[in-house]
Amino acid sequence: AQKVTQAQTEISVVEKEDVTLDCVYETRDTTYYLFWYKQPPSGELVFLIRRNSFDEQNEISGRYSWNFQKSTSSFNFTITASQVVDSAVYFCALYNFNKFYFGSGTKLNVKP
Amino acid sequence: GAVVSQHPSRVICKSGTSVKIECRSLDFQATTMFWYRQFPKQSLMLMATSNEGSKATYEQGVEKDKFLINHASLTLSTLTVTSAHPEDSSFYICSGGSGLPNTEAFFGQGTRLTVV
Repeated sequence: AQKVTQAQTEISVVEKEDVTLDCVYETRDTTYYLFWYKQPPSGELVFLIRRNSFDEQNEISGRYSWNFQKSTSSFNFTITASQVVDSAVYFCALYNFNKFYFGSGTKLNVKP
Repeated sequence: GAVVSQHPSRVICKSGTSVKIECRSLDFQATTMFWYRQFPKQSLMLMATSNEGSKATYEQGVEKDKFLINHASLTLSTLTVTSAHPEDSSFYICSGGSGLPNTEAFFGQGTRLTVV
């Protein structure tokens, strides 16, 4: 079965703090893809990153970084020096068998 | 980046009427369209997957006669909620892809449906 778990329902931080959003996935397949999407209050999902199962290289994009560890089936997302504009719901998703399997999302509140 | 335009963004309808939601891919050909439903503070629930020119594949528990999906062209997919009831009130999101999973899936802005 395919499953994505985001155990953190809601996180609140003060601006400029670093924050890590956890994502743990389950799949029996060896070929799969992992995604992170941001959903601001407006509702539209914004693509952040895609990773395939054969690429465990971590990635940094500005204040965003992702840590992919197959050994622990985790694909965690870190925001460095958070800003108020980062406030949103963040979804981790597994793409396999022509479907997306979304986690339950983590709501991030960044307070000024 | 590629854009998926979903219309309308909000709709209020009376119980028993039907509502059509459109999803257009503006600058790419969406060979696959996904339709999701999202309840408040919850994740996206996949309702169905459609490929251009063929019948949609519905997820278990989704009534295909109630949620009609048409994917007649590579740039347009529609979801019609027939005989809507208050329990159908939700946020509906479409997503289009071309070449998944080697590319991202692009999401529409979502449609807030309220059935009164």
